[in-house]
Amino acid sequence: EAGVAQSPRYKIIEKRQSVAFWCNPISGHATLYWYQQILGQGPKLLIQFQNNGVVDDSQLPKDRFSAERLKGVDSTLKIQPAKLEDSAVYLCASRPQGTGGELFFGEGSRLTVL
Amino acid sequence: AQKVTQAQTEISVVEKEDVTLDCVYETRDTTYYLFWYKQPPSGELVFLIRRNSFDEQNEISGRYSWNFQKSTSSFNFTITASQVVDSAVYFCALREPGTASKLTFGTGTRLQVTL
Repeated sequence: EAGVAQSPRYKIIEKRQSVAFWCNPISGHATLYWYQQILGQGPKLLIQFQNNGVVDDSQLPKDRFSAERLKGVDSTLKIQPAKLEDSAVYLCASRPQGTGGELFFGEGSRLTVL
Repeated sequence: AQKVTQAQTEISVVEKEDVTLDCVYETRDTTYYLFWYKQPPSGELVFLIRRNSFDEQNEISGRYSWNFQKSTSSFNFTITASQVVDSAVYFCALREPGTASKLTFGTGTRLQVTL
């Protein structure tokens, strides 16, 4: 079974530029998450999708971050304009149906904002 | 609100030593799920174990064991006879039931196993 795919693995941009990250979850997983992991910290949830609907985006900085999952499969997370404090690893995860299932994570996309 | 505390920021042991990683959680729900994930240098979070709140039986998997105690809201993780390949950051996490519930992580414990 293929895992969660993310791209790009690494991205370096200057502040005020824009960036987009892509995630393809495990086939059949209805729930998709984007987490932000700042160096030395635990992952923090940015947004959670159930199929193509947003379940929780309470911690998403909506003035600069946006995410979509139009067809209920893959997802894109965009940052525009980027700030220095957005430097982090952006982790995508998916989960199968059911309330107790663990999350399966991709390798993450490391963003450096200069 | 749910919260996970991993008080140990970094632990360093010599290979073959046993090591315990502590995890304390807070939640208002009586039903919840606890997890441990391993994050090696490659960055991917690797699932280790899931525990339901109504199952306090301790679990052993090879060199890994978990001690779940609801009375103290703790879910500690022990590695027996540690190996260099165990070097990673370990995260404890909590999730309440329901489709909409999120997974809340602790800040992680960095384990360094040396020869």
